[in-house]
Amino acid sequence: SAVISQKPSRDICQRGTSLTIQCQVDSQVTMMFWYRQQPGQSLTLIATANQGSEATYESGFVIDKFPISRPNLTFSTLTVSNMSPEDSSIYLCSVKGSTYNEQFFGPGTRLTVL
Amino acid sequence: EDQVTQSPEALRLQEGESSSLNCSYTVSGLRGLFWYRQDPGKGPEFLFTLYSAGEEKEKERLKATLTKKESFLHITAPKPEDSATYLCAVQPHRGPRSGGYNKLIFGAGTRLAVHP
Repeated sequence: SAVISQKPSRDICQRGTSLTIQCQVDSQVTMMFWYRQQPGQSLTLIATANQGSEATYESGFVIDKFPISRPNLTFSTLTVSNMSPEDSSIYLCSVKGSTYNEQFFGPGTRLTVL
Repeated sequence: EDQVTQSPEALRLQEGESSSLNCSYTVSGLRGLFWYRQDPGKGPEFLFTLYSAGEEKEKERLKATLTKKESFLHITAPKPEDSATYLCAVQPHRGPRSGGYNKLIFGAGTRLAVHP
């Protein structure tokens, strides 16, 4: 399976600021995704990061709040904009496996907003 | 509405005490059911994919089974290193929107603690 890294691993940010999270994969992958895991809750899909086109967002998530870039087949970024304490979560990127429908996850970015 | 419910929320076992975790799901059409293990501070680690009722998969002390309404993760003679949160996710059939055919809908997980 692909090796996935995320930067930063954690951060503490002030209300009203923005943070960009990077996701790097060691091989080319067709599909990349961004999930959110709020404290004590399950993972929720934010969006599918599409290479060369706009991301596809799930209900309840909008581009102005969570802009996503995917400039190539190994890299994507998620920005959390105009943050509030409710954005405190773990943000995870994942990639679709090459053989079946499974997804492999990065280590996550733990974000705390004060 | 697609939904995944895992039980119990938490489970404490003695080393060697076998048990099962449950994942009940409601989905309009199942493309696949996935089990993950998540250790504190880490991303989910893929364990199994099940596609059709009656299917079983095994890995070391873990065995996953699937029916039309639920999946079980059986843990045989667990060891302390099996302590983790186990997540179940379903992948529904969908059209090009909403993540297309790749969206995973997760349950809240079962926190397993195995004590020596």
